[in-house]
Amino acid sequence: DAGVTQSPTHLIKTRGQQVTLRCSPISGHKSVSWYQQVLGQGPQFIFQYYEKEERGRGNFPDRFSARQFPNYSSELNVNALLLGDSALYLCASSYRAPGRTEAFFGQGTRLTVV
Amino acid sequence: GESVGLHLPTLSVQEGDNSIINCAYSNSASDYFIWYKQESGKGPQFIIDIRSNMDKRQGQRVTVLLNKTVKHLSLQIAATQPGDSAVYFCAETAQGGSEKLVFGKGTKLTVNP
Repeated sequence: DAGVTQSPTHLIKTRGQQVTLRCSPISGHKSVSWYQQVLGQGPQFIFQYYEKEERGRGNFPDRFSARQFPNYSSELNVNALLLGDSALYLCASSYRAPGRTEAFFGQGTRLTVV
Repeated sequence: GESVGLHLPTLSVQEGDNSIINCAYSNSASDYFIWYKQESGKGPQFIIDIRSNMDKRQGQRVTVLLNKTVKHLSLQIAATQPGDSAVYFCAETAQGGSEKLVFGKGTKLTVNP
């Protein structure tokens, strides 16, 4: 079975540009969460979606947005990129809401803003 | 606020030894805890979880201990192997609150052959 898949794996963008990151959860999983991991730190929660509804939002500016599609895949959008947005963006999926069952992570998308 | 932290940022052990990685959490409402292993360039890999109604749970070569009195979590790895070298994170979440995982900064485990 395929695990959580994220695309693209690597991305280089210029300051001020917009980026869209994609995530496909494990088949049967209805919850998708997004995390930002800066080098040397633990992942920081950005968004959580369950059954296509936003269920949680972390302390990130409005430049960050996300959505979940009917097939439970998800996109994370970041507008007006800043150098500080450079990080590994991780997607996690779980069968139910995180905390009620195991959450499995994808390999991440390495975003570099120059 | 809620936070999860780790006592030691690095841990170096000899192959075959047992490893113990510690984690402190501050949110007394946390009721579910997960240990993740993250190798360089990869996403976190689920190792083992434990709920607050338990104080110990065992997996294959790994054991997680939970002490709710002092809000402490530990991961024990038996017969540590070079392939165990990675950064280990504990994460916690609280039922009824924001359904997010709160991660600590991680402990880098190095296994020397």
